[in-house]
Amino acid sequence: EPEVTQTPSHQVTQMGQEVILRCVPISNHLYFYWYRQILGQKVEFLVSFYNNEISEKSEIFDDQFSVERPDGSNFTLKIRSTKLEDSAMYFCASNAYNEQFFGPGTRLTVL
Amino acid sequence: AQSVSQHNHHVILSEAASLELGCNYSYGGTVNLFWYVQYPGQHLQLLLKYFSGDPLVKGIKGFEAEFIKSKFSFNLRKPSVQWSDTAEYFCAGGSQGNLIFGKGTKLSVKP
Repeated sequence: EPEVTQTPSHQVTQMGQEVILRCVPISNHLYFYWYRQILGQKVEFLVSFYNNEISEKSEIFDDQFSVERPDGSNFTLKIRSTKLEDSAMYFCASNAYNEQFFGPGTRLTVL
Repeated sequence: AQSVSQHNHHVILSEAASLELGCNYSYGGTVNLFWYVQYPGQHLQLLLKYFSGDPLVKGIKGFEAEFIKSKFSFNLRKPSVQWSDTAEYFCAGGSQGNLIFGKGTKLSVKP
């Protein structure tokens, strides 16, 4: 069964560094998403992406964040100049028939 | 503003007890509602979804949910829980765009 994959599973970085979180959505899906879940809090929408551009973004998704689909398979989330409060689980999802399929997440720890 | 709220933060049940987890939504327009489950250390998995039609929706693993428009509710039910149902349960609402999640309800089932 096809699934969304994410790498790395855990990323540790120093405050102020840039990180790139990678996702491989399910191959025939057209809509892609990033969500985050700060420990103990709800899952929050960050951004959606369709047809090689951002279709919707939340207030959280400021200039510190960017997304890219550099090739036909990967979908990346870049966080510039990480802050302590960026520590969270980051989930990628892709969509077909109004159902979102989630990846296993990347745990980002900012020290 | 669109929102999804879950009433219970943590529910503790014994095996074979019946389960009902509350979810209320505040939405304009078309309502698509979902319940996701997150087992410890795993990613979000779809339990069931409601788009239209029969308001009683049956999902995987014996779960069901009922959409009650007049109450803006979409409560999750299971007649007899098992220890393996221990997980966190998230109600979510949305369309093909972003999903708005509730805060989640942690379910602990005692063997």
